[in-house]
Amino acid sequence: QQQVKQSPQSLIVQKGGISIINCAYENTAFDYFPWYQQFPGKGPALLIAIRPDVSEKKEGRFTISFNKSAKQFSLHIMDSQPGDSATYFCAARPGTASKLTFGTGTRLQVTL
Amino acid sequence: GAGVSQTPSNKVTEKGKYVELRCDPISGHTALYWYRQSLGQGPEFLIYFQGTGAADDSGLPNDRFFAVRPEGSVSTLKIQRTERGDSAVYLCASSLNPSYGYTFGSGTRLTVV
Repeated sequence: QQQVKQSPQSLIVQKGGISIINCAYENTAFDYFPWYQQFPGKGPALLIAIRPDVSEKKEGRFTISFNKSAKQFSLHIMDSQPGDSATYFCAARPGTASKLTFGTGTRLQVTL
Repeated sequence: GAGVSQTPSNKVTEKGKYVELRCDPISGHTALYWYRQSLGQGPEFLIYFQGTGAADDSGLPNDRFFAVRPEGSVSTLKIQRTERGDSAVYLCASSLNPSYGYTFGSGTRLTVV
């Protein structure tokens, strides 16, 4: 059972544009929602994370928007750069456990 | 070390053989995780260690998979009687506090032929 659904599967954005990746979850026990960035041949690296007591969190060009009632959260990358080209994964974890459930990933390509 | 180290980076083995994958976590990190990532998919949880003990092994797919962490630092993932379906990247991660994010290694790419 896929508990975290991620879209789109791939995304092409022009340099300077906004990249938006969406995730939806089913398990209401989830209370920690991180986003990871993965480059080819590397492990995922934590970008930014949010807990459900806030609706938005911003770190530099990266913003998470969280909608608890809709059970959705999204990653916005402002002023996208070619160096942002990577695969992005959303994930979620219930408070009682340590394991993360990941989405299927979004391959982002930022063109010049 | 500065990061999570996994060895080997690549492993090719024949179907039916036994393999061991090693993970050296960040020094002082008590929590250690193994995940498996198939091509085009997100990582899937296998097992979580807190110290020397397996706190959650619910993700191990069957009894051919086993992991140990005897001294609470280095961990070894062991796969017996490998099958072609075991081919994937095996990722290790560690964390100082299991309530927060963790750091992944670059993984071991296992190919079973």
